[in-house]
This record gives sequence, structure tokens and C-alpha cells, in this order.
Amino acid sequence: LAKTTQPISMDSYEGQEVNITCSHNNIATNDYITWYQQFPSQGPRFIIQGYKTKVTNEVASLFIPADRKSSTLSLPRVSLSDTAVYYCLVENSNSGYALNFGKGTSLLVTP
Amino acid sequence: DAGVIQSPRHEVTEMGQEVTLRCKPISGHNSLFWYRQTMMRGLELLIYFNNNVPIDDSGMPEDRFSAKMPNASFSTLKIQPSEPRDSAVYFCASSFVGDTEAFFGQGTRLTVV
Repeated sequence: LAKTTQPISMDSYEGQEVNITCSHNNIATNDYITWYQQFPSQGPRFIIQGYKTKVTNEVASLFIPADRKSSTLSLPRVSLSDTAVYYCLVENSNSGYALNFGKGTSLLVTP
Repeated sequence: DAGVIQSPRHEVTEMGQEVTLRCKPISGHNSLFWYRQTMMRGLELLIYFNNNVPIDDSGMPEDRFSAKMPNASFSTLKIQPSEPRDSAVYFCASSFVGDTEAFFGQGTRLTVV
């Protein structure tokens, strides 16, 4: 399994763009990068997934450089409701998509 | 679909008692995951099933824990006997096999006193 490393916590003010970077130096060719969001007292929720370059949806953007050894989740103009824990996962079919979550990054957004 | 349904939402039990947590996955999903979440250890994968077959149970902490999936619409996680250190939030999630988008239930908050 490709191990991931992310910051334990981040702080931001409302309206700012937040970028959370995840390192996955041992990523394999058939690995996909997936991000989840977890609000307090809820289960994690899928945000976005990518393989390379850039992916964007209504919630976030995911930037993956050519070597794929890292990825950056970008949250534009965060609000207080974006306060949550964000998890970076690297999974492939060989692992049966076991969805192993690490400790994640705890994002606190303040006024 | 109502999503992944877990029961009970809260469970308080005495040490030594048997605890059974239940999960109904989203209809049509054929992968099911059980997780445990604590402040100290984060979100840990306990076991997951593909097409009702356990694929990896290496995350099950010890023999006191067991999980079954008798059919595609139901799974249980049993702890016998329970201990205070088992206190945590237990999540069930389901997905299509090979899909990294899993859907989580609301969790069961277990307190063992």
C-alpha cells in the first residue's frame, strides 16, 4: 500500500483558499488518489478522485503533478462549514480498494 | 435509497457483555467495510467484504471481534466479551467493488463501562 503523509492540522480564515498537500512517494502505476471529508459526528464523505493532472468538481479541485508523488486538495473560498477532517487515500485494485484512512488533516476555519 | 443504515446509533454496555452492531449497505453495493474511530487511533479499517466474502480482516484487533455478512443486505460486527478500550464510534460503509467512492453510515457510538 502506498503510505500517505498529510499535515495534522491547518487553520484558515473564511474566504481564503485552502490547499492541503498529501505526500505519497511510493504510489504505484495503477493507484488512484481519493480525498474524503469528515464533519464532526458524521462518517467520511467522498469529495474527489484523480489519477493525474487536475480534477475539479463543485466542491474542490485536485492537483496531481506529473510524478504523482504528491497531490493537493484545493478548497476555494472556505467557509465556517468547511471545518472538518480531510483524508487523502491512495488505492488500487491490487489491494481490493481497501480504503485505508490515515489520521487526516484537521482544518479549522474561523471568521 | 436511504443510504447505509447502522443500528443502534448509541450503545452503552457493561464490560464483559456481548455487543452486536448491525449494518445494512446501500442496495446494489457489493463491498462493505467496518471501521473503528477513536481520538487516539483515528479511523481504522477493521474488515471488509467483497460480494459477502471477507477479503481482509487483518485490522480486527483480536479474537473478541468477529464480523459476518450472511447476505448482500446485512452485516454484523460482534464484540464478545466487550472491554472499556472498545469504546469508540464504529462505522460501516459500502461501495461497488473496485470503486473508491464509499458511502458511510451514521456510525454507532459504543461505550463500554
